Amino acid sequence: QKEVEQNSGPLSVPEGAIASLNCTYSDRVSQSFFWYRQYSGKSPELIMSIYSNGDKEDGRFTAQLNKASQYVSLLIRDSQPSDSATYLCAVLPQGAQKLVFGQGTRLTINP
Amino acid sequence: GAVVSQHPSRVICKSGTSVKIECRSLDFQATTMFWYRQFPKQSLMLMATSNEGSKATYEQGVEKDKFLINHASLTLSTLTVTSAHPEDSSFYICSARTVYEQYFGPGTRLTVT
Repeated sequence: QKEVEQNSGPLSVPEGAIASLNCTYSDRVSQSFFWYRQYSGKSPELIMSIYSNGDKEDGRFTAQLNKASQYVSLLIRDSQPSDSATYLCAVLPQGAQKLVFGQGTRLTINP
Repeated sequence: GAVVSQHPSRVICKSGTSVKIECRSLDFQATTMFWYRQFPKQSLMLMATSNEGSKATYEQGVEKDKFLINHASLTLSTLTVTSAHPEDSSFYICSARTVYEQYFGPGTRLTVT
């Protein structure tokens, strides 16, 4: 069983709509969760971190964490073509040094 | 967010030569740095974790004598690819952790001819 699972997509969303990206993880005691965006040919860029249950908003991005369900999601409101990228979910298990990444979800925003 | 730089951004070298890649945390001190490799259309692959002042910890299957990592200070880590071969051609990305978050450098694209 993979430690962090994401739907690899591709996920296609019309411009202006809400894109919803989901991630589940297996380590129940994980405390830190991250979303990275990676454009083709570029390195990952940290866009959100979340540590507590509930929602965390930053501009058009909202991260949602549900530790009981071992589920973390990323919502992108008013999606723009520039949001087209691969989104990586990452989890830092308790006591660990290295992040565990999901395989990434490829998102395409259609004008 | 914190800034991580990498140099060079691109390098082309001949088979059998060595290449050094530098990674710097510009506005924070990083006790832990990471080196990743990514082949086209594939996932990030962690190569090694390095802590300042100690030997790097390599992931299974990564040759430590081929990929030399030095984390000499809290802001600088280097990766040297020794005796590079065409199969080492890849996108090498360093990453550094603050207390809470991990940031990636822009990457170095290595081509071995």
